[in-house]
Amino acid sequence: GQQVMQIPQYQHVQEGEDFTTYCNSSTTLSNIQWYKQRPGGHPVFLIQLVKSGEVKKQKRLTFQFGEAKKNSSLHITATQTTDVGTYFCAGALSNDYKLSFGAGTTVTVRA
Amino acid sequence: EPEVTQTPSHQVTQMGQEVILRCVPISNHLYFYWYRQILGQKVEFLVSFYNNEISEKSEIFDDQFSVERPDGSNFTLKIRSTKLEDSAMYFCASSELVRVYGYTFGSGTRLTVV
Repeated sequence: GQQVMQIPQYQHVQEGEDFTTYCNSSTTLSNIQWYKQRPGGHPVFLIQLVKSGEVKKQKRLTFQFGEAKKNSSLHITATQTTDVGTYFCAGALSNDYKLSFGAGTTVTVRA
Repeated sequence: EPEVTQTPSHQVTQMGQEVILRCVPISNHLYFYWYRQILGQKVEFLVSFYNNEISEKSEIFDDQFSVERPDGSNFTLKIRSTKLEDSAMYFCASSELVRVYGYTFGSGTRLTVV
């Protein structure tokens, strides 16, 4: 079955630093989505990438979809304490109704 | 902003009992989902539902699970004869158009089987 892998599992970041989390799929995806889950909360949709090589930005967050549509990354610049949480990528195959989630990257920030 | 509403927020049940988790998806959404998340682990797909029938289900969604849309607003997940390993956070989600927009998740029901 479809597997979505995400690394690293944990990211401890000094406030103000940048970091990147990576997502890889065993199969080509029709689209990839990113979600953020705050501690004790539920996943909240951040963005969707559909096109090969697509790059989208949301303020300090930059999302990228690989050329082969099998990998994606989320880069956060100048990390703030509000960035704390778990970031999940979730991929969908062309004919699937479901999203398959990666294991998530849990981000903690040192002030 | 429209929300997906889930009740109850926390359910404690004895092993072997049946539970029904309830969800009210966003009114103009057409696709509904149940996911679960065991504490500290990934979000796992259970089932998707469209046009009053299951469109896809995972290996986790065995005969002990069932879903229903009994009326125009509610979407329920029933777990028959609960097991200890069913303890998890269960999230309902809905989407307007599959693969076009992201899912809107509810706040979840924390199920504790004792």
